[in-house]
Amino acid sequence: TQLLEQSPQFLSIQEGENLTVYCNSSSVFSSLQWYRQEPGEGPVLLVTVVTGGEVKKLKRLTFQFGDARKDSSLHITAAQPGDTGLYLCAGGSNDYKLSFGAGTTVTVRA
Amino acid sequence: DAGVIQSPRHEVTEMGQEVTLRCKPISGHDYLFWYRQTMMRGLELLIYFNNNVPIDDSGMPEDRFSAKMPNASFSTLKIQPSEPRDSAVYFCASSLNAGNQPQHFGDGTRLSIL
Repeated sequence: TQLLEQSPQFLSIQEGENLTVYCNSSSVFSSLQWYRQEPGEGPVLLVTVVTGGEVKKLKRLTFQFGDARKDSSLHITAAQPGDTGLYLCAGGSNDYKLSFGAGTTVTVRA
Repeated sequence: DAGVIQSPRHEVTEMGQEVTLRCKPISGHDYLFWYRQTMMRGLELLIYFNNNVPIDDSGMPEDRFSAKMPNASFSTLKIQPSEPRDSAVYFCASSLNAGNQPQHFGDGTRLSIL
């Protein structure tokens, strides 16, 4: 059983469309990190959010941490083929361990 | 700057054989993590080290798995004897000694046990 549930599992959209990926848990985390992983490579950090209600923007990507620090969302505006990849959320705890969700596979068609 | 370096990138071997995966973390990073990624179970933490000392090995599946970190620049994950169900991509990651720091991953070792 995954500590962090991500939805949807798969997402396929046309270039220019918007998308949102969700990450939910019944546990409270000290931080929430989002990673993107491309085939044949390791995950790469996109952002870290630490404060309940925090919103961070990274160009066309908007990340939000829930008020109770149990959930998060990633919104991509005007998706591009370069956004294709596996998006992973990871909950941080005080012992420096990360609990990863199963991931959302995003495919952006040109 | 060099990132986390893992070797080999691919390993194919027969069940029963010993497998050794290697990792060189980013210089100056105090934490080193070993993960296993499969389609069924996603990314699972196996073990992590702080300053070369194993802190939590509760994710190691069985006694067949062992990990060492003899110095700050090298770690190994060993499987002996290997089984087909061990087939997965194994990742090593390192991070600085501070809360909420990002983990920097290597490109992984794709292990296939026949």
